Amino acid sequence: NAGVTQTPKFRILKIGQSMTLQCTQDMNHNYMYWYRQDPGMGLKLIYYSVGAGITDKGEVPNGYNVSRSTTEDFPLRLELAAPSQTSVYFCASRTRGGILENTIYFGEGSWLTVV
Amino acid sequence: DQQVKQNSPSLSVQEGRISILNCDYTNSMFDYFLWYKKYPAEGPTFLISISSIKDKNEDGRFTVFLNKSAKHLSLHIVPSQPGDSAVYFCAASVFTSGTYKYIFGTGTRLKVLA
Repeated sequence: NAGVTQTPKFRILKIGQSMTLQCTQDMNHNYMYWYRQDPGMGLKLIYYSVGAGITDKGEVPNGYNVSRSTTEDFPLRLELAAPSQTSVYFCASRTRGGILENTIYFGEGSWLTVV
Repeated sequence: DQQVKQNSPSLSVQEGRISILNCDYTNSMFDYFLWYKKYPAEGPTFLISISSIKDKNEDGRFTVFLNKSAKHLSLHIVPSQPGDSAVYFCAASVFTSGTYKYIFGTGTRLKVLA
């Protein structure tokens, strides 16, 4: 049962570098999300997608980009990394079902440090 | 603008006793509430949820209570076990802009003492 898989788990970036956090899910879920969690804070929504080819901004999208070319994959790209992007990143997904199937499932997280 | 609040950052409980974790929210449009448990260096895992049309949902040792008039929900764990030691996040869901969005609280760190 793979569920939601994120890579890499840990990464150190230098200021100005770029990288992509990979996320894939094998549950055929339509909705996918990227969150970041800073120390002592709740999860903040960066971007989300309601299906292949459709993405939209969440609360904190600046400095990030996403794409959704397939149902399974939802990569998050950091362009010109900044220390403020040091955080833990979680990818999540949920089914297209209605309120009774209203559970999102998270990946293991990606710990990113920008120095 | 914190729409979902967990005002207690930490809680310590003796093994075998009841743990009560609280969560308050401000948006009356939230229609579903969830609790997630998170261990260090892992992703949040789903624990239990409740629809806004109910006031209680039970699953084994875990019970969630919803008081809509007070905009308050709580998670009860009985009896508490050392393996329950983790950070607990409450989340609220609302359907908006064509998708379900989830707003998370800041978490409560539960420590169950053996």
